[in-house]
Amino acid sequence: DGGITQSPKYLFRKEGQNVTLSCEQNLNHDAMYWYRQDPGQGLRLIYYSQIVNDFQKGDIAEGYSVSREKKESFPLTVTSAQKNPTAFYLCASSRKTADSNQPQHFGDGTRLSIL
Amino acid sequence: EDQVTQSPEALRLQEGESSSLNCSYTVSGLRGLFWYRQDPGKGPEFLFTLYSAGEEKEKERLKATLTKKESFLHITAPKPEDSATYLCAVNILTGGGNKLTFGTGTQLKVEL
Repeated sequence: DGGITQSPKYLFRKEGQNVTLSCEQNLNHDAMYWYRQDPGQGLRLIYYSQIVNDFQKGDIAEGYSVSREKKESFPLTVTSAQKNPTAFYLCASSRKTADSNQPQHFGDGTRLSIL
Repeated sequence: EDQVTQSPEALRLQEGESSSLNCSYTVSGLRGLFWYRQDPGKGPEFLFTLYSAGEEKEKERLKATLTKKESFLHITAPKPEDSATYLCAVNILTGGGNKLTFGTGTQLKVEL
């Protein structure tokens, strides 16, 4: 079945450490996205990519980095510069069409906690 | 500033007790509104897209409607398995392309 796979499901970070969250999709979608979800807040966009080798900052990109070397993969690195990284991270993808109004489809998330 | 507000924050219903969830928005350049369902510890699951005022979409016990300022998700005769958080998001055209802005969700609990 086609879908979006995020790994790991749970991740723990030590102070000063960078960690990388994996996101893979086999939906043949062009666009991919990373969101952060905190209790009582809506999903907030971290980074997005509409095509391989190109990506744009979202609303809260500070302390995060991404790469898009393959269409299927869009890993997110949470750097030590992100001072409040504890959150539920969601990856999404969507088709890119002429009107770009396609729904985004989500993976099941990675929960990141600080040790 | 673009805003999406969902109400109520939480809703408790008895099985079979119909109700509606609200999503109001103040945005410029609306290109579409999306409804999602999210179960605890899972990612949002896409339900509906609405593009223009007056449009309606249905799926089982759920019906979504859209006006120029808000959307409603009507739940008819809900069952316990409908318990979840329901999110709405608006798609806005920006200089950097299309962008989704999410509300904080309505947490629905349906009891026997």
